[in-house]
Amino acid sequence: DGGITQSPKYLFRKEGQNVTLSCEQNLNHDAMYWYRQDPGQGLRLIYYSQIVNDFQKGDIAEGYSVSREKKESFPLTVTSAQKNPTAFYLCASSTGQGGYEQYFGPGTRLTVT
Amino acid sequence: KNQVEQSPQSLIILEGKNCTLQCNYTVSPFSNLRWYKQDTGRGPVSLTIMTFSENTKSNGRYTATLDADTKQSSLHITASQLSDSASYICVVSAHGTYKYIFGTGTRLKVLA
Repeated sequence: DGGITQSPKYLFRKEGQNVTLSCEQNLNHDAMYWYRQDPGQGLRLIYYSQIVNDFQKGDIAEGYSVSREKKESFPLTVTSAQKNPTAFYLCASSTGQGGYEQYFGPGTRLTVT
Repeated sequence: KNQVEQSPQSLIILEGKNCTLQCNYTVSPFSNLRWYKQDTGRGPVSLTIMTFSENTKSNGRYTATLDADTKQSSLHITASQLSDSASYICVVSAHGTYKYIFGTGTRLKVLA
């Protein structure tokens, strides 16, 4: 079964704790992305990675960190520095640049109290 | 500034009826435009993709149009079904970059 997976689907954390969201793909895609989705807003880019061991900040990178040690994996850490971490987080992958279709994972809903 | 605007924000229709969703964009240089369907609490799924030279593309009951001159696209849903209830997101890609510009979506509810 090819695809992109995210885990867990729901995540609850106390304020001040770091939390890591998992994203794995077996589509052999070079590019991977993390987006945040809030009600009434379009998806906003947090980080993206074009190849292994390389990643770039998106529009709202503050308070987040990522790594890309393997082609298949692109975990996102939400740190305590992120002021409003409660959101729906989506991971995506694509073969290459903007002309290629993005495939999305099922998402992780993070709630921080 | 690269932007994608969608209208209406929300729409309620009866099962079996048709509807049309709108997308206006100011993205340059334009690469392609996609329509995604997103069920509540799930990731978006691609419905259609249109490049600069394409005017119309269909995927079952979904038909997308593109007017590259006016920078407008529409998604027409024919004979709506309850399963069409979802958010529909217009996404425009900028050529030569990793930028995908997302609209805020149209939330469609189909009633029996």
